[in-house]
Amino acid sequence: QQPVQSPQAVILREGEDAVINCSSSKALYSVHWYRQKHGEAPVFLMILLKGGEQKGHDKISASFNEKKQQSSLYLTASQLSYSGTYFCGTNNAGNMLTFGGGTRLMVKP
Amino acid sequence: DTAVSQTPKYLVTQMGNDKSIKCEQNLGHDTMYWYKQDSKKFLKIMFSYNNKELIINETVPNRFSPKSPDKAHLNLHINSLELGDSAVYFCASSKLGSHRGSYGYTFGSGTRLTVV
Repeated sequence: QQPVQSPQAVILREGEDAVINCSSSKALYSVHWYRQKHGEAPVFLMILLKGGEQKGHDKISASFNEKKQQSSLYLTASQLSYSGTYFCGTNNAGNMLTFGGGTRLMVKP
Repeated sequence: DTAVSQTPKYLVTQMGNDKSIKCEQNLGHDTMYWYKQDSKKFLKIMFSYNNKELIINETVPNRFSPKSPDKAHLNLHINSLELGDSAVYFCASSKLGSHRGSYGYTFGSGTRLTVV
């Protein structure tokens, strides 16, 4: 079952913040976040393994609410380089990530 | 020194043909994957493979088959290509780990397949 991401698209000015949400109808073992720039491969950002776990990478952080089967990605003080499509990937069982439909983020000067 | 490399980068072929896409990783990972990304950017898992287990997404037509000559390679063979097979195909790899899904994936640069 594919996780659901929201919003589908976001337009920001440099320095603004954004939140991208990912929710699943099934219990989650882990949640991954990736960023894909146009014409390139998805690039791994971070992984969350435990309920309530929060991780950060520079000004990008994420949380994982295992009970609600949700994860959120927080982009703080966005930079032009943050533009791209963000995907969450969920691992319900087995060894395959199922990705959400993606959130297209555009950061303007 | 590319971590996950795919060839070819572009592939244009006629309907009905059989084609293969090659993938190699030099990261020492034990699990490899194939994903299909359609025109709407939706990333769909096709296969997961390590030396012990092949997991096939049940929605993948049996015209698609993974072939792994060794741990560092997972090729994708497609028979009787159809127009709907046009997409970007990504190979990826990761460690398996004791906790499933506990390691990030490294993706190859993708193969853009166009069926005419």
